[in-house]
Amino acid sequence: QVQLVESGGGVVQPGRSLRLSCAASGFTFRNYGMHWVRQAPGKGLEWVAVIQYDGSNQYYADSVKGRFTISRDNSKNTLYLQGNSLRAEDTAVYYCTRDVRSRYFDLWGRGTLVIVSS
Amino acid sequence: EIVLTQSPGTLSLSSGERATLSCRASQSVSSSYLAWYQQKPGQAPRLLIYEASSRATGIPDRFSGSGSGTDFTLTISRLEPEDFAVYYCQQYGSSPGGTFGQGTKVDIK
Repeated sequence: QVQLVESGGGVVQPGRSLRLSCAASGFTFRNYGMHWVRQAPGKGLEWVAVIQYDGSNQYYADSVKGRFTISRDNSKNTLYLQGNSLRAEDTAVYYCTRDVRSRYFDLWGRGTLVIVSS
Repeated sequence: EIVLTQSPGTLSLSSGERATLSCRASQSVSSSYLAWYQQKPGQAPRLLIYEASSRATGIPDRFSGSGSGTDFTLTISRLEPEDFAVYYCQQYGSSPGGTFGQGTKVDIK
């Protein structure tokens, strides 16, 4: 079954760190660029970060640049998002998504909720 | 950065009616890089339309996309109960991850 499953969300205090994971299955993970997209409660979709299929390049939204790191382990079919110095405004559901030819996202996970609160 | 503005914010319609959703870009977008997604409460977004007018796998033909340049449209020819949701457009040509519109909610009148 082709799917993405996120994990690692939870409640974290401001200024602390959290690592999210996204396990891919049912397709050749190493062939695809991957993204993280987030959605604050009651808000729209915000792109967060992308990593190329081989991990050679990463790009970030200005809102997370310097604080978040996207990475992948193709041997484990897993995507990661390391978030440091977390802020209240990072509270959101975080989705991992599959990139198709740098044109659109054709597969989404169910998301994992991160709440940044003291 | 290209900004996408969707209108209306909310569309109140009845089952069987036609829905027309607009997505306007602040500068020209290649049709190859315009997509539409549907999101239902508590669920992840789902790809509906890619490259402005191509339906994704499994999407019914009552959904259609059109447009070019700065103006794009998603049309639902006859609303079914399962179509009441939020719809987002996305452009993905001008920056690494692209940008999303703010969404249009289609709700039951």
